[in-house]
Amino acid sequence: KAGVTQTPRYLIKTRGQQVTLSCSPISGHRSVSWYQQTPGQGLQFLFEYFSETQRNKGNFPGRFSGRQFSNSRSEMNVSTLELGDSALYLCASSLEAGRLSGANVLTFGAGSRLTVL
Amino acid sequence: AQSVTQLDSQVPVFEEAPVELRCNYSSSVSVYLFWYVQYPNQGLQLLLKYLSGSTLVKGINGFEAEFNKSQTSFHLRKPSVHISDTAEYFCAVTQGAQKLVFGQGTRLTINP
Repeated sequence: KAGVTQTPRYLIKTRGQQVTLSCSPISGHRSVSWYQQTPGQGLQFLFEYFSETQRNKGNFPGRFSGRQFSNSRSEMNVSTLELGDSALYLCASSLEAGRLSGANVLTFGAGSRLTVL
Repeated sequence: AQSVTQLDSQVPVFEEAPVELRCNYSSSVSVYLFWYVQYPNQGLQLLLKYLSGSTLVKGINGFEAEFNKSQTSFHLRKPSVHISDTAEYFCAVTQGAQKLVFGQGTRLTINP
């Protein structure tokens, strides 16, 4: 069974540009969450999607957005990039939305490392 | 609001020695607790989880953790570490939703 696949793995952008990151969840998983990892702030929750609907959102500015498609694949977009957006962006999928359980836990992808110059 | 404190940012140990990585959480309600491991240039891999039941939880790679509600702790232990255990370890908490709150991580370094 393939794991969570994130593309691209590495990318470099300049300030002011925008970027789109993609996440393909484990087959059968319907919930996708995104996290940002930086040396200073650590791991922070961005948002969660289920059935193409955003169910939960973290404390990030509106420049950060996402969406989910009918096949559960998800994309996140960051517009007007700032130097501080340089980070590892991690996607995680789970079977269902709602409460975690023995079977419904988060599985993370390898991440997309974004560098903003 | 929930928070997680990992008491040590770095822990150096010798190979085959025991190790304990400490994690304390703050929450006024029941929580679910997790330990994840991150190897260089990789994502997070679930080591173990506490959802309910027995307070001693066994995970992969010989790791275990004990949930202590009175001390709001969830320390991770391994009786004998290997060079391959060198990684960063993250403790996380949630009240049940998909939104995890992570600690700042503990970098475990194994010396031969």
